[in-house]
Amino acid sequence: QQQVKQSPQSLIVQKGGISIINCAYENTAFDYFPWYQQFPGKGPALLIAIRPDVSEKKEGRFTISFNKSAKQFSLHIMDSQPGDSATYFCAAKRAGSARQLTFGSGTQLTVLP
Amino acid sequence: EAGVAQSPRYKIIEKRQSVAFWCNPISGHATLYWYQQILGQGPKLLIQFQNNGVVDDSQLPKDRFSAERLKGVDSTLKIQPAKLEDSAVYLCASSLGSLAGVTDTQYFGPGTRLTVL
Repeated sequence: QQQVKQSPQSLIVQKGGISIINCAYENTAFDYFPWYQQFPGKGPALLIAIRPDVSEKKEGRFTISFNKSAKQFSLHIMDSQPGDSATYFCAAKRAGSARQLTFGSGTQLTVLP
Repeated sequence: EAGVAQSPRYKIIEKRQSVAFWCNPISGHATLYWYQQILGQGPKLLIQFQNNGVVDDSQLPKDRFSAERLKGVDSTLKIQPAKLEDSAVYLCASSLGSLAGVTDTQYFGPGTRLTVL
């Protein structure tokens, strides 16, 4: 059962543009929402994360927007650069002792120079 | 700080053969995870260890997959016998564990790419 739905599957953006990736979740037990960035041949690395008690979190060019009522969250990459070309995964962590991550299906971002 | 180490990086085997992957987590990390990442998909958790005990292995195909974490440090994941559909990247991750609270961050290794022919 896919509990975190991610779109689009792929995204092509011009250098300097804004990249937007969207995710939706079903399980209201999720209480932590990280985004991971993965380059070819590497493991995913934490990029930015948010808790549901805030609606937005910004770190440099990366912003998460969170809509708790709609059960949706999105990643915005401002002034996108060719070095941002990677696969991005949203994820959700549920409350409880195990605190496991459920990943979305990923978005392959290509930033054209 | 050294990251999560995994070996081998690549493995090609015939179906019905066996294979083993090794993971060395970040020093001091109590929790260790094994994920399967099929091409074009997000990582899927196979098993989670807290120190040397299993927290969750509900998605581990136990008829062919096994994992252990001896002495609460290194871990091995074994597949025997392998099937074609096991072709994937196997990722190991580690984290501080429950003491870190809700923001406990998982750090991933580079993965082992398995091809089953």
